Amino acid sequence: DAGVIQSPRHEVTEMGQEVTLRCKPISGHNSLFWYRQTMMRGLELLIYFNNNVPIDDSGMPEDRFSAKMPNASFSTLKIQPSEPRDSAVYFCASSGTGAPSYGYTFGSGTRLTVV
Amino acid sequence: AQTVTQSQPEMSVQEAETVTLSCTYDTSESDYYLFWYKQPPSRQMILVIRQEAYKQQNATENRFSVNFQKAAKSFSLKISDSQLGDAAMYFCAYRRGRLSSGSARQLTFGSGTQLTVLP
Repeated sequence: DAGVIQSPRHEVTEMGQEVTLRCKPISGHNSLFWYRQTMMRGLELLIYFNNNVPIDDSGMPEDRFSAKMPNASFSTLKIQPSEPRDSAVYFCASSGTGAPSYGYTFGSGTRLTVV
Repeated sequence: AQTVTQSQPEMSVQEAETVTLSCTYDTSESDYYLFWYKQPPSRQMILVIRQEAYKQQNATENRFSVNFQKAAKSFSLKISDSQLGDAAMYFCAYRRGRLSSGSARQLTFGSGTQLTVLP
């Protein structure tokens, strides 16, 4: 398995533009998580899905952020309009039902810079 | 809510020596899991070691071992025979178990400890 695949790896955009981050979880994993990492706030959970259904989106900072999981193999995180304070590394992670002790598998992250 | 605290923002160790990274957590749950993740400059999050709360035996993975003190809610990571490749940010993380109430399956992370390995 190729692991959790995120794209793009880097994204630079201008303030006000729409940004879409993509994630392909590990096949067979039924939980998917979006995290944001910044120096000030560390790793924060934004939203997670179980069986493609959003379970907890309380970490989504504001209405400019939205996430979807149309099927078991794909998820997107969209920011519209983007702002400089959204600059961060965004991680996607997936987890299976078999053993919670196995934690998550993370993607390589997308470094977003909003100028 | 669960919280995870790493009180050492930075640590350094001489190559081939041993270093211990500290982590404490706060929870009212009895069923949970604890993890240490490593994040090198490549920013990839790599699982280093995991511990089930119901197990009394401390987990070990090669040069990495933990000291799990459930009553004290402490979960430290010991790295033996440190290597240059161990240099990274290390995160302690907590996850509720299946028997715990609520649906929360997310990992809660500490703020991280930056480990430098000196040649």
